[in-house]
Amino acid sequence: QAQLVESGGGVVQPGRSLRLSCAASGFTFSNYGMHWVRQAPGKGLEWVAVTSYDGNDKYYADSVKGRFTISRDSSKNTLYLQMNSLRPEDTAVYYCAKELTLIVVGCFDPWGRGTLVTVSS
Amino acid sequence: QSALTQPASVSGSPGQSITISCTGTSSDVGGYNYVSWYQQHPDKAPKLMIFDVSNRPSGVSNRFSGSKSGNTASLTISGLQAEDEADYYCSSYTVASTVAFGGGTKVTVL
Repeated sequence: QAQLVESGGGVVQPGRSLRLSCAASGFTFSNYGMHWVRQAPGKGLEWVAVTSYDGNDKYYADSVKGRFTISRDSSKNTLYLQMNSLRPEDTAVYYCAKELTLIVVGCFDPWGRGTLVTVSS
Repeated sequence: QSALTQPASVSGSPGQSITISCTGTSSDVGGYNYVSWYQQHPDKAPKLMIFDVSNRPSGVSNRFSGSKSGNTASLTISGLQAEDEADYYCSSYTVASTVAFGGGTKVTVL
């Protein structure tokens, strides 16, 4: 059974950096595209970024483009999100999610439990 | 990158059917059969309920069904139960190889 566990969240000052990790288990990590999705407190879901199964293709939401970088290490079964130049509006629970099938079409299953990032001075 | 449009709230009595709409454009909902629906209970991670417009993952009740017409997708919950009270989100793959979410719909069981 596929399982995803995020870590690395916390409180960070505006302008600083943070790296999130997502440990994957229960499936062949190197076969699947992977996503980050976030949810600001009391708000809806916002897609953040996707990486293809091999890391060669990456796409980002306009709101994070140029500041966030998604990457993966298949030797460690781990997905990352490097977040630079953080802003208060980046405050959210960050979820990692696996593509349901082998092709990337933006269908997320399963999701991790999320990690909270708070950007505040 | 525009969000898809969902009603903020929908309510129904136990046993009734409700439908949640999700309106996009020809660049997302109308252009691909890659619409998904997610259920989220308070302080929980979202759960996939429908994928590829109308397919249910194993383990999801057949009371949940999905459809699409043009640029609008819909999720129908039949035989509404108390446990169905939650937030529901639609999503769609887009022409830019990104993913758009709807703003979410709060379902209340009266």
